[in-house]
Parts: sequence; C-alpha cells; structure tokens
Amino acid sequence: KAGVTQTPRYLIKTRGQQVTLSCSPISGHRSVSWYQQTPGQGLQFLFEYFSETQRNKGNFPGRFSGRQFSNSRSEMNVSTLELGDSALYLCASSSSTGVPPDTQYFGPGTRLTVL
Amino acid sequence: DQQVKQNSPSLSVQEGRISILNCDYTNSMFDYFLWYKKYPAEGPTFLISISSIKDKNEDGRFTVFLNKSAKHLSLHIVPSQPGDSAVYFCAASASNNDMRFGAGTRLTVKP
Repeated sequence: KAGVTQTPRYLIKTRGQQVTLSCSPISGHRSVSWYQQTPGQGLQFLFEYFSETQRNKGNFPGRFSGRQFSNSRSEMNVSTLELGDSALYLCASSSSTGVPPDTQYFGPGTRLTVL
Repeated sequence: DQQVKQNSPSLSVQEGRISILNCDYTNSMFDYFLWYKKYPAEGPTFLISISSIKDKNEDGRFTVFLNKSAKHLSLHIVPSQPGDSAVYFCAASASNNDMRFGAGTRLTVKP
C-alpha cells in the first residue's frame, strides 16, 4: 500500500499571499487530519476531515481552512500568510473504522516558508 | 492549551542503556495514548500505543506505561540503539478521535 503523500514538499511564499497544500491519504482511509509543526510547539492540530465533512477543529484562526474530496484527498488553504505561518505542515490519515481511535499514518509534510 | 506535555525537550543516553521518555496530560477524557517517532525530513511514524484500560503495553524493546491517576505515561526503550535517535512525540486521544500531541523529546543515543 502506498503511504500518505503530500505535495508540494517545499514552498516559499511572501506575506499576504495564500497557499494550498494537498494530501492524498492511504487507499481506503477516510479520515484526514492536518497538523502544524513548529520548533518547541510540537504538532498543533488544525482540523480533521471525514467523508468530506470537517469533524474536528483545533484552535487556529479562520485563515486556515480545508476541505476533503469524495476520493478522500484533502487540501489545506492558508490565506493572507504571516511570517509565523512558516512551519512544517503534516497530514495524517486513518481508516476510522469506528473502533476509537485509529492509528494515524503521517505523510512527509510540506515545509512552508513565508518571507 | 497544551493538554499533552513533554517537559524534556532532549534526552541523551548511552547505547545499550535504558531510555525513558515522559509525558503528562491534563484532559481526563483521554482514553488512548500513542508514541510516534520522527526522523528529520520525514513524517512521524507510529511506534506503540496503550488504551486507558491497561497500564502497560510492550512491543519488543519498547514498553509504554500508563499511570492514569497521575495522568502520566512513559516510554521505555531497552536496550537503546543509535538508530533510536529521533524526536519522540507523545499523543493522546479521546473517543472523538481528536488527537493532541506533545512538543516532542529529542532522543540521542550515543555509541
């Protein structure tokens, strides 16, 4: 089985721009979660999508949004980028079979740098 | 709000000795706990987990201990190997699948 893939792997943007990151989960997985990793802060939960619906949401401003498509692929969008948005953005998928909780499998991440 | 805390940002141990990584949590609703290992330029990989109905789970060199009354869990690696050098994240989840991670502990195993 192919693992979780994320594109692009690296991205450089300037303040005020917007960015869209993509995540393809493991085949058959219906849950996709997004995390932001910054030094010293660990993995901060952004949101989780399941069957095209946002099921859980972390404490991030509305500039951070996401969506999930019918094939379970997910995108994350950050509008009006700020310097502090520079981070590694990780996507994780799980099968979410109903036996809580499922183990999450992570992609390699997208390294976003905001200049 | 940091519901999961790893208070040691780094740990260094000698090869062959025991590594003990600690994690504390504040949310009593958490009922499932996991440890992930992360190498540079890679996403975290699942290592071991424990349900709140247990106090110990073992998988080869890795053992996780859970103390619910203290809201504390630990990961023991015995014997430690240089290849274990990585950042270890503790994670906790309530039944709604909302998973929270700690800040991570960088383990260095010296040959």
